[in-house]
Amino acid sequence: DVKVTQSSRYLVKRTGEKVFLECVQDMDHENMFWYRQDPGLGLRLIYFSYDVKMKEKGDIPEGYSVSREKKERFSLILESASTNQTSMYLCAGSSEGGYQGNQPQHFGDGTRLSIL
Amino acid sequence: GQQVMQIPQYQHVQEGEDFTTYCNSSTTLSNIQWYKQRPGGHPVFLIQLVKSGEVKKQKRLTFQFGEAKKNSSLHITATQTTDVGTYFCAGRGGTSYGKLTFGQGTILTVHP
Repeated sequence: DVKVTQSSRYLVKRTGEKVFLECVQDMDHENMFWYRQDPGLGLRLIYFSYDVKMKEKGDIPEGYSVSREKKERFSLILESASTNQTSMYLCAGSSEGGYQGNQPQHFGDGTRLSIL
Repeated sequence: GQQVMQIPQYQHVQEGEDFTTYCNSSTTLSNIQWYKQRPGGHPVFLIQLVKSGEVKKQKRLTFQFGEAKKNSSLHITATQTTDVGTYFCAGRGGTSYGKLTFGQGTILTVHP
């Protein structure tokens, strides 16, 4: 089974800071995803990656970027943190890469990020 | 873009009562997945439906995929306190590299 690990459970940062959220999974050739979860809005996709150095915008990419230098690691970057980016951030991976991607997504425990 | 609407947002039931949550997509889906998130936890995959009109059961849970592949439902029979959590549907379009669009989720509370 795929294991997804997020580096921090809780994080507090200040407005304007550059923030890095790290995610590691233990499978090769994986799709990886970053979501934010807000009450009443469900999970909204920020960015995803289907291969090393490949990235695709999700539904709400503004204010974020990502990096995938190695297959197992997918980083979410808040270029200049703002208070409206206070949220729960969830990383996920799926065990089948490529175009079809019918496999379930496996989530990390999440990072609750507060921007002051 | 693709939208998935899920209702109700909240559902409070007495233990032993039934529960249903519904999802509707603005576009035809290639498949739909269901996830459960326990309080304080992360979403965990429950099941995937692929075929038009498909019905799958997991013990007290029944999942349906509509004939037009634009709607789905999850029904829990005789709820238990262990069923507490948020249930999400997530739909996949035809060309998406595994990208899912999640519904808003239904928060289920079960009173003993």
